[in-house]
Amino acid sequence: DGGITQSPKYLFRKEGQNVTLSCEQNLNHDAMYWYRQDPGQGLRLIYYSQIVNDFQKGDIAEGYSVSREKKESFPLTVTSAQKNPTAFYLCASSIGERETQYFGPGTRLLVL
Amino acid sequence: AQSVTQLGSHVSVSEGALVLLRCNYSSSVPPYLFWYVQYPNQGLQLLLKYTSAATLVKGINGFEAEFKKSETSFHLTKPSAHMSDAAEYFCAVYGANSKLTFGKGITLSVRP
Repeated sequence: DGGITQSPKYLFRKEGQNVTLSCEQNLNHDAMYWYRQDPGQGLRLIYYSQIVNDFQKGDIAEGYSVSREKKESFPLTVTSAQKNPTAFYLCASSIGERETQYFGPGTRLLVL
Repeated sequence: AQSVTQLGSHVSVSEGALVLLRCNYSSSVPPYLFWYVQYPNQGLQLLLKYTSAATLVKGINGFEAEFKKSETSFHLTKPSAHMSDAAEYFCAVYGANSKLTFGKGITLSVRP
């Protein structure tokens, strides 16, 4: 089955800790995206990548970092600089620019 | 930059009643428009999309939407609500900068 997987489903972060959220797709899509979802605010774009070894900041990139070393993988690191990391994080992919985005099941990040 | 407005945060209908979820957009270029559905603690699932073909678009689960350029609208409808339609619904638009911009979402409740 083709799709997008995200792990873990729940993640707990301690003060000052960096944590990494995994996103893998086997759809052979070129583009991948990370969104943050907060109640009542819709989805906000954190980072996106249209091709391997290249990525761009979205609207709320501060306190986050990404890498795109393989076509199928786009991990997101939430750094200690992100002071309000509690949210639901969604990964998506698309064949290319301006194409339909397909979403993973999400990771909920909580702060201890 | 493009934008999406989903008026109100919550709609409640009786089972069997018409569902109407409103979406208005702004875009400086011909838009691509999408409706997604999200069930609690899950990712987003594509309901339907408009990409400049027919203005009346049919989607999954009996939903449809009509693109009206003169009204800059893309409202989502379903003739008869089912209990399983209770979820959060997001309208989204690709505009000039090729980023997908989401509305804040509308929660649909279905009363027995």
